[in-house]
This record gives sequence, C-alpha cells and structure tokens, in this order.
Amino acid sequence: GQQVMQIPQYQHVQEGEDFTTYCNSSTTLSNIQWYKQRPGGHPVFLIQLVKSGEVKKQKRLTFQFGEAKKNSSLHITATQTTDVGTYFCAGPEGGGADGLTFGKGTHLIIQP
Amino acid sequence: DAGVIQSPRHEVTEMGQEVTLRCKPISGHNSLFWYRQTMMRGLELLIYFNNNVPIDDSGMPEDRFSAKMPNASFSTLKIQPSEPRDSAVYFCASTPGLAYYNEQFFGPGTRLTVL
Repeated sequence: GQQVMQIPQYQHVQEGEDFTTYCNSSTTLSNIQWYKQRPGGHPVFLIQLVKSGEVKKQKRLTFQFGEAKKNSSLHITATQTTDVGTYFCAGPEGGGADGLTFGKGTHLIIQP
Repeated sequence: DAGVIQSPRHEVTEMGQEVTLRCKPISGHNSLFWYRQTMMRGLELLIYFNNNVPIDDSGMPEDRFSAKMPNASFSTLKIQPSEPRDSAVYFCASTPGLAYYNEQFFGPGTRLTVL
C-alpha cells in the first residue's frame, strides 16, 4: 500500500521561531490531508489539499502541495505554546483501497 | 452534535482476557474506521466500514482481532485473547463520504493496557 514518509520525527523550537514539517510519497497523491494531535488527545483535521502546487493558509499555518503531488509541507510562523502537538499528513491508501495512510507524524516541542 | 463517542476511555486487562471496544459514529456518517496508535508504529488503519459493510480489513493484525458494525450507529472492535503487545490507544473515526476525500472525525480513543 501507500507509504507516506514524514520528517522530522521531532522538532524542538523556541517560542516565536518558525517550524516546518515535510511529507513525501513515492507515488502521486490525489489529495493530502493534515491533522494535529495535542498531547493526550485525538487527531483533529486541519486541511485538505487537492490541486498541484496548491497553497493554503490558516492564520500562522501555511500548507503546500507539491507540483508533482508527491510531497507536501506545513509551515508555522512564530510558534506559540498552543502549537504543541504532533502534526500528521495522510494520503489515500492507493491500490484500490479507500482508506487513508498516515505518516508517523512530527512532534513539535516548544521551549518558552 | 456529540461527535464520535468511544467507550471505555481506559481499559486495563490481563493477558488472555477478551476486550471489547465500542464506537458510535457521528449521525449521518456512512464510513467508519478503527485505528491503533503506538509510539513505535504510529497511527495504523485496522479496518474500514462503508454503509456497515467491512471494506478493507487488511490492517487487522491477526485472527485475535475482529470488528463488527451491526447498524449505522454502532461498531465494536474485539480482541480475544488479548496480549501485552496489544497495548495501545485505539481510535474510531467516521466520515460522511469517501474515506480518502473527506475529513475524518476521530473519537477520543480507548487507551488499552494489557498486563
């Protein structure tokens, strides 16, 4: 099935610094979704990207979908303590299956 | 809307015991998913139902795991017999349409500990 690789696994930043996580697939994705999971919580949907080269913004968060639709990134400007958590990308399973394959996630740790 | 409801929230059991996890999806959602999350393996899709029918169970680890969805508002995931390596957080999620094209709404999860 589909493999979605995510880097880095962990990222420590000082509050106010920027943060970026990257998601890569070996095959072309029809779409990609991003989720955030707070410590002790459950994944919560952030956004879906569908079009090649698409860029979407949510306040301090910027999401990009690569031109080849094989990679994506999430960038957070001027991190705040509320941004702490794990950020997952997820793509279609592929191979005729209908589910989602999640990356391992990037754990964002913010030092005040 | 109450969101996806899971019970119990925490379960501690001994190896060899049967464990049943329960899920109530959001009303009107026709796709339901069971995931398992561990530090080592991340978030893994176990099984996916559409209109109460199991569509993809390729992620179910072995015969000790079984899942049912007797109606649109209820699903169970059963582990029998349980083993310590089954310790994980189990999430149920639902979506109103195609699995990979719609936002998935996750429940709060059941934290399972098998001693």
